[in-house]
Amino acid sequence: DVKVTQSSRYLVKRTGEKVFLECVQDMDHENMFWYRQDPGLGLRLIYFSYDVKMKEKGDIPEGYSVSREKKERFSLILESASTNQTSMYLCASSFLRDLADTQYFGPGTRLTVL
Amino acid sequence: AQSVTQLDSQVPVFEEAPVELRCNYSSSVSVYLFWYVQYPNQGLQLLLKYLSGSTLVKSINGFEAEFNKSQTSFHLRKPSVHISDTAEYFCAVTPPGGTSYGKLTFGQGTILTVHP
Repeated sequence: DVKVTQSSRYLVKRTGEKVFLECVQDMDHENMFWYRQDPGLGLRLIYFSYDVKMKEKGDIPEGYSVSREKKERFSLILESASTNQTSMYLCASSFLRDLADTQYFGPGTRLTVL
Repeated sequence: AQSVTQLDSQVPVFEEAPVELRCNYSSSVSVYLFWYVQYPNQGLQLLLKYLSGSTLVKSINGFEAEFNKSQTSFHLRKPSVHISDTAEYFCAVTPPGGTSYGKLTFGQGTILTVHP
């Protein structure tokens, strides 16, 4: 069974802290994605990666960075957390070879920044 | 660039009633179309997708969606809903071109609530 796991379901941080959100997939997928989900806005793409050490900005990259040192792991980094980054964060992965392939999502991390 | 609009943010229905969740998209190129579902406290999972061929696509749990190119729509329907269909539904598109890497553009989501 395919699996995308995220390191935490719930996270509470203080303004200014550096925050790491981890995502691991066990499907040997090339593509990995980070989204944030906010009520009424749907999912918005923050960053994605199509290969190890490769990354590209999505629609809302400001205030975020990413790291992909290994194929199965994609990390989202909030360099200095702010209250407007309180949100649900979803990681997903898919095969590069098939652009119409399903994206598989993790359960999400609900981040609260105080 | 493409965009997706889900016309209803919330749709309440009674059990066994039919339902339609509306989705319109805009794009200057052809697109692949998807519906994803998010059950309470879970991540998203694919419900169905349209790539090419027959404009009517179906899921294993009774949902169907029809691609209408002239109206740029991909509405999701089910003739008789169950309590277990209560979830948030997201319409999404991606261009089939090679530089997209399968990036999805999502709509705002529609919360379907099925009442007994």
